[in-house]
Amino acid sequence: AQTVTQSQPEMSVQEAETVTLSCTYDTSESDYYLFWYKQPPSRQMILVIRQEAYKQQNATENRFSVNFQKAAKSFSLKISDSQLGDAAMYFCAYRSATWFLTQGGSEKLVFGKGTKLTVNP
Amino acid sequence: DSGVTQTPKHLITATGQRVTLRCSPRSGDLSVYWYQQSLDQGLQFLIQYYNGEERAKGNILERFSAQQFPDLHSELNLSSLELGDSALYFCASSRVATNEKLFFGSGTQLSVL
Repeated sequence: AQTVTQSQPEMSVQEAETVTLSCTYDTSESDYYLFWYKQPPSRQMILVIRQEAYKQQNATENRFSVNFQKAAKSFSLKISDSQLGDAAMYFCAYRSATWFLTQGGSEKLVFGKGTKLTVNP
Repeated sequence: DSGVTQTPKHLITATGQRVTLRCSPRSGDLSVYWYQQSLDQGLQFLIQYYNGEERAKGNILERFSAQQFPDLHSELNLSSLELGDSALYFCASSRVATNEKLFFGSGTQLSVL
């Protein structure tokens, strides 16, 4: 079974600075997707960024970018020019692209425990 | 707005009771997923339905059950409730293709007293 580990329960950053959130995962599959979700105090789960494992190029979305190291099974999120609105819980998630090859497989998301990001003014 | 509707937003009940959580997926989404979020366990996958059929089960207790109806809305039934069942319950939906992202509802906060 796949597992996702976020080793930083809490992180803090000064407004306008850059912060990197870590995520590692364990899988025997070669094709999959990785995601970062943001959960602000409103509790809504918001997709921040998505990476396809077959793509070598790291995904970027405005101030958000990832460092995807497939061999190391690492998927970190970099937030540049941090803003007060970035304060939230951030969850790393894994989704199989070959779930149909496994008995009882599913395209469900497997989440890490989350990192609470505080942005200081 | 994700397009996924969950009701009720808050639910307070007593131990031993039974409750039903409802989820309406985005228009056109055939898959529905249920997750439980608690402080100690994080986001745990409970169960997935695809076009009315159960596709996958996760860490779902025997006291919990779910179903997806012909109109694709889903219900999660929690019975013989215990204090430890207090959590935020999310529903998410997605289209058929695996590379499509999941869209989450705003959750139902369940408090068992």
